[in-house]
Amino acid sequence: AQKITQTQPGMFVQEKEAVTLDCTYDTSDQSYGLFWYKQPSSGEMIFLIYQGSYDEQNATEGRYSLNFQKARKSANLVISASQLGDSAMYFCAMREGGSKRGSTLGRLYFGRGTQLTVWP
Amino acid sequence: NAGVTQTPKFQVLKTGQSMTLQCAQDMNHEYMSWYRQDPGMGLRLIHYSVGAGITDQGEVPNGYNVSRSTTEDFPLRLLSAAPSQTSVYFCASSYSTDPNTEAFFGQGTRLTVV
Repeated sequence: AQKITQTQPGMFVQEKEAVTLDCTYDTSDQSYGLFWYKQPSSGEMIFLIYQGSYDEQNATEGRYSLNFQKARKSANLVISASQLGDSAMYFCAMREGGSKRGSTLGRLYFGRGTQLTVWP
Repeated sequence: NAGVTQTPKFQVLKTGQSMTLQCAQDMNHEYMSWYRQDPGMGLRLIHYSVGAGITDQGEVPNGYNVSRSTTEDFPLRLLSAAPSQTSVYFCASSYSTDPNTEAFFGQGTRLTVV
């Protein structure tokens, strides 16, 4: 089973509108972290926002917020007031806690990404 | 503040050639890792290290070798390049393996094997 699922290969939004990028995750750990990264066409990975599994409040960073629904195991990224510069690939990722061995230690699990296009 | 520095940014290799992708970080991070990114696949873990002298395999380690002689450097070696290794490679570092720690990424290396 996939640890991170992003079901939207592509999304389109008009400038100044809000958009939600979906992410669901699968873990049996109580302690884990959820991350969103942005990858523009230039290729670098830019950290956007983080949510810890024990955090009761949804994380916010400027125009980015993370809609964390623990019971549903979802961690959707909300971008408010979209800008043309928001056009990029967006990746949801998870790092698990607990006692890990082997290839899972410290590993970030990534979804397959959502390509967001903002049009004027 | 340089963060994670990855070189080269682009590379073309012939099948069978070997090369080393360099990765250095100046944040005194213990945990370093290499990922490869293929279209539609997200990022997959190749190798990782939890400190100098300690490395281990990730999800897709075959054809790659790593070492960690210092905290700062974590090079990735392709032993005998194959077309299946055409990909974008990212080095990442974080303070620890704690789930609450952010990973910092290098700029990426776009590798083509012909």
